[in-house]
Amino acid sequence: QVQLQESGPGLLRPSETLSLTCSISGGSFSTYYWSWIRQTPRKKLEWIGYTYISGNTHYNPSLKNRVTMSLDTSNNRFSLKLTSVTAADTAVYYCARHLGVIIAFDYWGQGALVTVSS
Amino acid sequence: DVQMTQSPSSLSASVGDRVTITCRASQDIYNYLNWYQQKPGKAPKLLIYDASTLVTGVPSRFSGSGSGTDFTLTISSLQPEDIATYYCQQYDNLPPITFGQGTRLEIK
Repeated sequence: QVQLQESGPGLLRPSETLSLTCSISGGSFSTYYWSWIRQTPRKKLEWIGYTYISGNTHYNPSLKNRVTMSLDTSNNRFSLKLTSVTAADTAVYYCARHLGVIIAFDYWGQGALVTVSS
Repeated sequence: DVQMTQSPSSLSASVGDRVTITCRASQDIYNYLNWYQQKPGKAPKLLIYDASTLVTGVPSRFSGSGSGTDFTLTISSLQPEDIATYYCQQYDNLPPITFGQGTRLEIK
């Protein structure tokens, strides 16, 4: 059974950098695309970006200048960095696996709440 | 960006009712449309992909249809465990991948 688990700080100050890691177990890591998605307090879902082992990475243009995603193939993990956070970045952050070449998210982590507050 | 608009935003129905949720795209997305169910405190769960393909293990009372700009998620006979918020998601024109705003389904 594939399992995803997000980890990282839950509270940030404005202008700090958000760093989250998604650990994958129970399945192949290198043959899938992996995404980060966030859900705001108003329940809006926003796709942040996806990455693949080949280096094929796409980010949401609305966040592109602040986002970096990377893969740690040795440890079956991938990470998200979002710089210069503001209160608008407060959300539950999910990592998710793509359903093969179809961009549908078939496995999700439980979510990590990140709050940005001074 | 492709805007996804769901209707209604909330819906109240009785057990056994047929329930229909609509998702409209701001441009043609062919059949690149997925549906998710989210229960409180949980991650979304994929129900249907490519507009009409049911994910293995999802009850057959769920079905999806549509193509182009108009799509529908139907629950043929509402069950108490179907109470959740439902989201559509497109992946034709990306980036970005975009989601609808959600439809909250309640029991009457």
